[in-house]
Amino acid sequence: EVQLVESGGGLVQPGGSLRLSCTASGFTLSSYEMNWVRQAPGKGLEWVSFITRSGDTMFYADSVKGRFTVSRDNAKNSLSLQMSSLRAEDTAVYYCVTIVYGSGNSYLYYYMDVWGKGTTVTVSS
Amino acid sequence: QTVVTQEPSFSVSPGGTVTLTCGLSSGSVSTSYYPTWYQQTPGQPPRTLIHSTNLRSSGVPDRFSGSILGNKAALTITGAQADDESDYYCVLFMGSGTWMFGGGTRLTVL
Repeated sequence: EVQLVESGGGLVQPGGSLRLSCTASGFTLSSYEMNWVRQAPGKGLEWVSFITRSGDTMFYADSVKGRFTVSRDNAKNSLSLQMSSLRAEDTAVYYCVTIVYGSGNSYLYYYMDVWGKGTTVTVSS
Repeated sequence: QTVVTQEPSFSVSPGGTVTLTCGLSSGSVSTSYYPTWYQQTPGQPPRTLIHSTNLRSSGVPDRFSGSILGNKAALTITGAQADDESDYYCVLFMGSGTWMFGGGTRLTVL
C-alpha cells in the first residue's frame, strides 16, 4: 500500500524548534517532488514548502521563509521539515504530499497526489 | 498580493447540480495553473478529486468534473449525494515550485 506517515509533531513554546519527518512506504520517495502543506485548526489548507527529487532546490511560503527548512534523505525514503522560531500561528496539522507530473495524449498533468494523515504541531506557552 | 478565491459556502439539493469555482483576485485561471480540486471531511486528509483542470483521479465518480469557466476553474458535481457534504479546496500551481490554495468551500447537501 502506498503510504506517507508524518511524525515529530507536539507541543512547543513560542520561539522553539521542532523537526517533522515524513516516511514513505510502498513506493520510492526519491521518484517524487514533495510538498509540505499545513492546516490550522478550523482553517483552510496552506502550502508551506517544496523540494525537488534530488533535494537541490527548495521553495517556501513567505509565512515560513527563513524559519523553516525542508530536506530529504532519499536513501532512507524520508523527508524532513526543520521548524525554528515557531509562532502561535504555526499551530496546525502538517501534511507531506507527493507531487505527480507527466503527460498523456496532448495534455500535461502536475498535481499533489498522495497525502499523509498529518502530524499536529501546537505552539503555545 | 494575489489570492485564490472560492465561495465560502454553497448549498445543493440531493440529486442536484452544483458548480464551485476557483478564481484569482488578480488575473484569470488557465490550464497553465494546473488547477486541482480536493475533498476533505473532518479529521481526514484531503482526497484528490480532479487534477490538472479536468482529469479525474482514480476511483472518483464521474459525477465530479472539472473545467475552466470564463476566467475561473470550476468543479461541477452532478447528481449530488449526501456524502458529498464536505469541504472542497482548489489549489493552483503558481510556478517556481510554489502553490496557492483557495480558502475552501463548505458544501451542504440538503
